[in-house]
Amino acid sequence: GNSVTQMEGPVTLSEEAFLTINCTYTATGYPSLFWYVQYPGEGLQLLLKATKADDKGSNKGFEATYRKETTSFHLEKGSVQVSDSAVYFCALSDRGGSEKLVFGKGTKLTVNP
Amino acid sequence: KAGVTQTPRYLIKTRGQQVTLSCSPISGHRSVSWYQQTPGQGLQFLFEYFSETQRNKGNFPGRFSGRQFSNSRSEMNVSTLELGDSALYLCASSFLGGVLETQYFGPGTRLLVL
Repeated sequence: GNSVTQMEGPVTLSEEAFLTINCTYTATGYPSLFWYVQYPGEGLQLLLKATKADDKGSNKGFEATYRKETTSFHLEKGSVQVSDSAVYFCALSDRGGSEKLVFGKGTKLTVNP
Repeated sequence: KAGVTQTPRYLIKTRGQQVTLSCSPISGHRSVSWYQQTPGQGLQFLFEYFSETQRNKGNFPGRFSGRQFSNSRSEMNVSTLELGDSALYLCASSFLGGVLETQYFGPGTRLLVL
């Protein structure tokens, strides 16, 4: 079945540090890939997405590239801010799957000033 | 445009009771999906409704059910509550529910079963 594996946290960084959160996937078809962010006490917000191989999703300084050869969709940001502290979820949506979205376990990021 | 709304935001029930949660999608959205979020299992898909019909279903027992009304509002029901049903229940909506569409999530209903 479809699955998403993302690096376990928590991740603690200082402001302006470089961020990478690894995400790899297993899917039966050609999935779309997503990063969602959940701020404390809130629901999930879409951060970025990519719908085909080699696509790069980007938003608010975050980027992720859909790598079909390594089945990966790693999230990166060059300079994190305290306001980026949240839980980040990698997810896939597969036309051949029965589930709407399959999520990774989430990675909690804390950015200290 | 108003976002996805869920009511109630917090709920406390005891084992054996039943509960009904409500979700109002973004105006014009016809697909509503439900997810359960727990610390142990993470986010898991419950079911999806489109045009008042259940279109997809996750791997949950029959105690979990749902429905969708003609105005696309959706409810989910959990009967005979168990302690393990304590979770954040998230609802998400999209226009047609297609694979390439973005799903917009509500703030969730936090259910505590005592």
